[in-house]
Amino acid sequence: DAGVTQSPTHLIKTRGQQVTLRCSPKSGHDTVSWYQQALGQGPQFIFQYYEEEERQRGNFPDRFSGHQFPNYSSELNVNALLLGDSALYLCASSPRGVGSPLHFGNGTRLTVT
Amino acid sequence: GQQVMQIPQYQHVQEGEDFTTYCNSSTTLSNIQWYKQRPGGHPVFLIQLVKSGEVKKQKRLTFQFGEAKKNSSLHITATQTTDVGTYFCLMKTSYDKVIFGPGTSLSVIP
Repeated sequence: DAGVTQSPTHLIKTRGQQVTLRCSPKSGHDTVSWYQQALGQGPQFIFQYYEEEERQRGNFPDRFSGHQFPNYSSELNVNALLLGDSALYLCASSPRGVGSPLHFGNGTRLTVT
Repeated sequence: GQQVMQIPQYQHVQEGEDFTTYCNSSTTLSNIQWYKQRPGGHPVFLIQLVKSGEVKKQKRLTFQFGEAKKNSSLHITATQTTDVGTYFCLMKTSYDKVIFGPGTSLSVIP
């Protein structure tokens, strides 16, 4: 039973470029959420998807967008990259339901130069 | 908006000593979850607390939810080197947004 998988594991981009990160949820999970974790800090909630729609959003600019596909996998897109976007991007999946625990992938380490 | 504090930020203990981290919310919570993140790893779910005053134990770990459901604690008895990592509390707002605490980083000196 595969857990949450994310790709790529590492990525180096230049300021102003665009990036797409991918996530496949744990089998049986239909809800995907994305987090940004800067070094030494807690994960910051970006947004949550289920039924192919963005349901909740944290305090992130519109440069951060996402998508969920019919198979529940998800993408995170970041446009016009800034140096401050360098971070570990974590994807978590869960079944629908209040209080469902989050299952995290190993993350994508994004470096913007 | 809703704020969450976690103290201490760092804790260095000798192996065998106890460790406690506290999580405090500015508003009443419906539930709280705890996660552990090992260095270089991803957060792993530990426990969820729902009821006022609830206490749950997992081997050497004891989790408490405050009577007012605005604070929680995680206590580790007789720490081991395998306990090293950062412990985060997680809470959900009334609008189902997720807020992680800033975490407590635990170092265990053998």
